[in-house]
Order: sequence, then C-alpha cells, then structure tokens
Amino acid sequence: GIQVEQSPPDLILQEGANSTLRCNFSDSVNNLQWFHQNPWGQLINLFYIPSGTKQNGRLSATTVATERYSLLYISSSQTTDSGVYFCAVVRYSTLTFGKGTMLLVSP
Amino acid sequence: EAGVAQSPRYKIIEKRQSVAFWCNPISGHATLYWYQQILGQGPKLLIQFQNNGVVDDSQLPKDRFSAERLKGVDSTLKIQPAKLEDSAVYLCASSLGDWANSDQPQHFGDGTRLSIL
Repeated sequence: GIQVEQSPPDLILQEGANSTLRCNFSDSVNNLQWFHQNPWGQLINLFYIPSGTKQNGRLSATTVATERYSLLYISSSQTTDSGVYFCAVVRYSTLTFGKGTMLLVSP
Repeated sequence: EAGVAQSPRYKIIEKRQSVAFWCNPISGHATLYWYQQILGQGPKLLIQFQNNGVVDDSQLPKDRFSAERLKGVDSTLKIQPAKLEDSAVYLCASSLGDWANSDQPQHFGDGTRLSIL
C-alpha cells in the first residue's frame, strides 16, 4: 500500500515562532488532508488540499502532487497549536494516515 | 449543530470478552467512519458506511470485528473476542459526502478509549 511519511516526528517551539511540517507519500493520490489532534484527543480538519496552496489565518498548506509531498506552515505559533498534526491521503478508495508530527509550543 | 456523539468514553475489559461501541453522527451526514487509533500512531480506517451500505471495510479484522449502521443513522462497532492488541481509541466520524472524493470535512467524535487487561 501507499506509504505516508511525516517529518519531523517531534517539534518544540517557542510561542511566536514559525514552523514547516512535511508529508511525503509514495504514490499518486486522489485526496490529501491535514488534521490537528489536540492534547485532549479531538481531531479537527485543517485543509483539504490534493494540490495547490491554501491559507486559513496563521496556517497555510501547499501540495505538490507531481513531487508527492505536502507542506503545512504554521506562523506565529501559539500554545493552542500544540498537539499532533496528521497528513492523510486517499489513493483510489484506500485512506491512509501518516504517523503525525507532535508539536509542543511553549509560552 | 450537535457534534458526533460516541459512547462509552472509556471501557476496560479482559481479553476474550466482548465489547460494543456506539456512534450517533451529525444529523444528515450520509457517510460514517470508524477508526482505530493505537497510542503513538495515526488513525486507521476500519470501516466506512455510505448511508447503510459498506463502502470500504478492507482493514476491518472481520474474524473478530463487526459493524452495522441500521437505517443509515446510528452505528455500532463490536469486538468479539477482544485481544490485548485491540487496546486503542476508537473514533467515529461523519461527513455529508464521501471525503475521499470531495472536500466535505469529516467531523470526529471524542472517541472511546478501550483498555484490554
């Protein structure tokens, strides 16, 4: 099946710093989404982004489908950004999540 | 709008026992998903329903896991008999359409944390 690799696995930031999270996938995909899982376990959709660039406030994402990667940018990070960020892809009808990047933003 | 409701929040059972989880999706959402999330890993899709029909159950261990969505609304996921490796959080999600082919977001419940002794 398709392989989804996220990097870095862990990231510690000071409040106000910027960061870039990466998602590499081993084959072409029909769909890609980014999710945030907060420290209480709640999963929230961030972006549906099979290709191109999208922005939502301090977050933006870019997927380069031809090169099989996606990036999630977090600017001016806040403590509420802490949690695990997952990339999930769909190839045909099979959905696969990466292992996630755990982000800790300290005050 | 009310979110996705799951119960129970926590469950502790011994191996070889049976357990069932319940999910009530957001009203009007045709698609319902069950995921298994083992500690330190991303969620793994177990089964996806479109109304009351199964779209994908390729990763469901059918020898011990079963799921149904009668009348295309509520859903139950059952494990019988449970094994130690089934310890995980079981997440239910719903969406208006099939997010695999659209930008319909999934809305997740709070999950059921299952511990097998």
